[in-house]
Amino acid sequence: DVKVTQSSRYLVKRTGEKVFLECVQDMDHENMFWYRQDPGLGLRLIYFSYDVKMKEKGDIPEGYSVSREKKERFSLILESASTNQTSMYLCASSGTVLSGANVLTFGAGSRLTVL
Amino acid sequence: QKEVEQNSGPLSVPEGAIASLNCTYSDRGSQSFFWYRQYSGKSPELIMSIYSNGDKEDGRFTAQLNKASQYVSLLIRDSQPSDSATYLCAANTGGFKTIFGAGTRLFVKA
Repeated sequence: DVKVTQSSRYLVKRTGEKVFLECVQDMDHENMFWYRQDPGLGLRLIYFSYDVKMKEKGDIPEGYSVSREKKERFSLILESASTNQTSMYLCASSGTVLSGANVLTFGAGSRLTVL
Repeated sequence: QKEVEQNSGPLSVPEGAIASLNCTYSDRGSQSFFWYRQYSGKSPELIMSIYSNGDKEDGRFTAQLNKASQYVSLLIRDSQPSDSATYLCAANTGGFKTIFGAGTRLFVKA
């Protein structure tokens, strides 16, 4: 069974703390993504990576950075957490893009609360 | 700004009825379209993808795409209470980027 595993299901952090969200996939997928999901706003793309050590900004990259040192692992970093980063964070992965196809497999999500 | 728009609902249908979910997208260059289902407290899972104009059927689900109108829909026949979830419409806008709508909440009443 293919899997995308997010290391933390629930986190509570304080304003200004550095936060790491880890994601591991076992499908040998090239592409990995970080989305955040907020009520009424849907899923918004933060960053994605199409290869090891490669990264691209999504629609809302401000306040975030990412790291992809190994193909199976994609980390999201909040350098200095703020209350407006309280959200559900979803990691996803996908295989080779063919004719525009990009089917995403999601992890279970990490619910982050910043106090 | 490239967008995917959906009616947030909730859409309520009786068990056994057809549920019709709709979305529109703004980027004419979008090539691939997806419907994901998300149960409360769970992550999205793919239920349908469609790439060409027309209909695509998979069991009780039919996806419809009209690129001229920039319109995607999902029909669920013989709706069941287990279909109650939020349905997310998504469009791949080129390369690796997929944009999601905010989702339509569906309730199927037993």
